[in-house]
Amino acid sequence: EVQLVESGGGLVQPGRSLRLSCAASGFTFDDYAMHWVRQAPGKGLEWVSGISWNSGSIGYADSVKGRFTISRDNAKNSLYLQMNSLRAEDTALYYCAKELGSYGSPFDYWGQGTLVTVSS
Amino acid sequence: EIVLTQSPGTLSLSPGERATLSCRASQSVSSSYLAWYQQKPGQAPRLLIYGASSRATGIPDRFSGSGSGTDFTLTISRLEPEDFAVYYCQQYGSSPRAFGQGTKLEIK
Repeated sequence: EVQLVESGGGLVQPGRSLRLSCAASGFTFDDYAMHWVRQAPGKGLEWVSGISWNSGSIGYADSVKGRFTISRDNAKNSLYLQMNSLRAEDTALYYCAKELGSYGSPFDYWGQGTLVTVSS
Repeated sequence: EIVLTQSPGTLSLSPGERATLSCRASQSVSSSYLAWYQQKPGQAPRLLIYGASSRATGIPDRFSGSGSGTDFTLTISRLEPEDFAVYYCQQYGSSPRAFGQGTKLEIK
């Protein structure tokens, strides 16, 4: 059974940093691209960042470019999102999502999310 | 950057009726790399349709997708009580992997 478990969320002050993690199991992690998608309270889905199976292709939404860094450790079956210079508008539930393929396909499994709240 | 616009914002229908949801792209979506997701309150999204018209594993055949280029449609042939949710389209042919703003399907 595919499982994606996010962690690392919490309350953080504007301008500070936070690192999210996603632990994957139930599939061959290094065969698939992975993504972070966020959802602000009561709002729609916003794609944040994605990384190919070998980290050779990486993309970011304009809203986080230069502040967030996605990475993965295939030996640990883990995905990460380093978030720096956090703003109030980064407050959201952050989902980890697995692609159907290696890079360039839809998201077939999602975690339950970890909540990030940016507030003083 | 491709922008996806979904319509209507809210759709009020009764169980047993047919639902038609629209997703329009600001430019052509390459190779019909268009997906539809369903999200219920308190849950993560679930993949319904990919490649504009292919059903994901385990999705009932009352869900169907169609379209190409810039205009795409999700159709639910006969609404079941569990189908009332928010639906999002997403293009995954280019970066950023934009989502539409969502259509809320509510019980009339």
